[in-house]
Amino acid sequence: DGGITQSPKYLFRKEGQNVTLSCEQNLNHDAMYWYRQDPGQGLRLIYYSQIVNDFQKGDIAEGYSVSREKKESFPLTVTSAQKNPTAFYLCASSTSGSFSTQYFGPGTRLLVL
Amino acid sequence: AQTVTQSQPEMSVQEAETVTLSCTYDTSESDYYLFWYKQPPSRQMILVIRQEAYKQQNATENRFSVNFQKAAKSFSLKISDSQLGDAAMYFCAYRSAGPNDYKLSFGAGTTVTVRA
Repeated sequence: DGGITQSPKYLFRKEGQNVTLSCEQNLNHDAMYWYRQDPGQGLRLIYYSQIVNDFQKGDIAEGYSVSREKKESFPLTVTSAQKNPTAFYLCASSTSGSFSTQYFGPGTRLLVL
Repeated sequence: AQTVTQSQPEMSVQEAETVTLSCTYDTSESDYYLFWYKQPPSRQMILVIRQEAYKQQNATENRFSVNFQKAAKSFSLKISDSQLGDAAMYFCAYRSAGPNDYKLSFGAGTTVTVRA
């Protein structure tokens, strides 16, 4: 099956702890993205990567970090510097063409203990 | 980031009838792309329809169609013959057509309820 997988589905973080959310795609897409969704709000871009070994900050990058060592993988780390991490996190990928469309994974819900 | 506004937090429609969701956006660009995504209770984001700004013809996908008014910066979504499975949150999104700029800016969403 071609698609985007995210794991885990639910994640619990303790105070002061870093946690990593996984995102994998087998669509051979060049670009990958991380979004955060809070209740009653749209999606906000955290980080994105248009090519392996390169990534850029989105609108709300503070307290997060990413890596892009492989084309198919784009993990997101929520660091202890992120003071309000409770949210739904969505990963997406797209081709790099002029009219590329982003396709989304099923999401990870992060809760703080 | 571009500003995308969805002024209707909630909409309700009777099964088999039509509902229209509004979306406006703010941009100084002449070329861009617009999208409608659906997020059902499973929270999986699903592409519904997309529109290229340089095309005057409104996009259509089965029961879903858009009314794209470029001068008014308006991009509404019409759902015809509404079905129970259409119940979801719908997001309007904007993407610049600039080179190597693939970021999406989303509106706050409209929750659609379908009454049986």
